[in-house]
Amino acid sequence: DGGITQSPKYLFRKEGQNVTLSCEQNLNHDAMYWYRQDPGQGLRLIYYSQIVNDFQKGDIAEGYSVSREKKESFPLTVTSAQKNPTAFYLCASSNQGRNEQFFGPGTRLTVL
Amino acid sequence: AQSVTQLDSQVPVFEEAPVELRCNYSSSVSVYLFWYVQYPNQGLQLLLKYLSGSTLVESINGFEAEFNKSQTSFHLRKPSVHISDTAEYFCAVSASYGKLTFGQGTILTVHP
Repeated sequence: DGGITQSPKYLFRKEGQNVTLSCEQNLNHDAMYWYRQDPGQGLRLIYYSQIVNDFQKGDIAEGYSVSREKKESFPLTVTSAQKNPTAFYLCASSNQGRNEQFFGPGTRLTVL
Repeated sequence: AQSVTQLDSQVPVFEEAPVELRCNYSSSVSVYLFWYVQYPNQGLQLLLKYLSGSTLVESINGFEAEFNKSQTSFHLRKPSVHISDTAEYFCAVSASYGKLTFGQGTILTVHP
């Protein structure tokens, strides 16, 4: 089955620790995205990548970092510089020349 | 830049009643429009999209949306809702390849 996987589904970390969220897709999509979702605020774009080894900041990139070493993978690191990291994180991908994005199941990060 | 406003944060409705979820957007260029649905603790699923052509678009589960360029709207409608339609619905707009701007979401609750 083609799709996007995110792991883990739930993640707990202590304040001050960096944490990496995994996102893998086997749809052969060129572009991948990371969003943050908070209640009542919709989805906000953190980072996106249109090709391997290249990525751009979204609207709320501060305190986050990404890498895109393989087409299938786009991990997101939430650093200790992120002031309020507790949120639901969604990864998405899209194909070249198409606008609709396909989403993974999400990772709920709780920082204690 | 573009923006999306979903006019209702919550919409309660009884089963088998009609429903309309309102979405307005602003953009200085032509746009593509999307509705996504999210069930609790899951990712987003594409419900329907307007890219070009007929301004009325339909989904496989009875939802429809009409693109109204003069009113810059893309309202989502269903003539008769089911309990299983209870979810959060997001309107999104794209004016360039790949980047989506989302509304704040509308929580649809269908009561028996």
